Amino acid sequence: DGGITQSPKYLFRKEGQNVTLSCEQNLNHDAMYWYRQDPGQGLRLIYYSQIVNDFQKGDIAEGYSVSREKKESFPLTVTSAQKNPTAFYLCASSISGNGIGIQYFGAGTRLSVL
Amino acid sequence: SQQGEEDPQALSIQEGENATMNCSYKTSINNLQWYRQNSGRGLVHLILIRSNEREKHSGRLRVTLDTSKKSSSLLITASRAADTASYFCATDDNAGNMLTFGGGTRLMVKP
Repeated sequence: DGGITQSPKYLFRKEGQNVTLSCEQNLNHDAMYWYRQDPGQGLRLIYYSQIVNDFQKGDIAEGYSVSREKKESFPLTVTSAQKNPTAFYLCASSISGNGIGIQYFGAGTRLSVL
Repeated sequence: SQQGEEDPQALSIQEGENATMNCSYKTSINNLQWYRQNSGRGLVHLILIRSNEREKHSGRLRVTLDTSKKSSSLLITASRAADTASYFCATDDNAGNMLTFGGGTRLMVKP
């Protein structure tokens, strides 16, 4: 069953804590993306990776970090430097790093602050 | 900054009616895509239209693109309650490295 799996579905962060959101794909896609979505808003790009061991900052990278050690995995860490982390986080992938391709999305992780 | 902006922000119609959503963007593009998002879920790709295309159909969906006006429209014909969702347009950046999404149109179809 091919697709993108995000976990956990819900996550709670305590003050000063780093948390990591998981994103795994078995579509053999080269490119992966992380977006943040606030209530009633569109998607804003946090980070993207066009190939293994390489990633680029998006529009709102401050307070976040990523790694791309394996083609199928692109975890996102929300650090304590991100002062307003409450949001819906979406991971996506596309066949190549060329942005004109179709992006396939996971079901999302909803992060809240305790 | 958002490349695409949808209009209207919200739309409420009766089942069986047509729904039209518009998207405007600012810079030249290679293609424009439309996505659908059910509440609390991920996005699902609906249709892609290239900059050299003017109209594209997929089932009950019809997309138009006017590059001179930097705008696109998504028409859903004979709407159903199951079409209730948010709809987003997305455009690629000039380098083709990423997509930029608009703020979305929230469509409610009443049975």
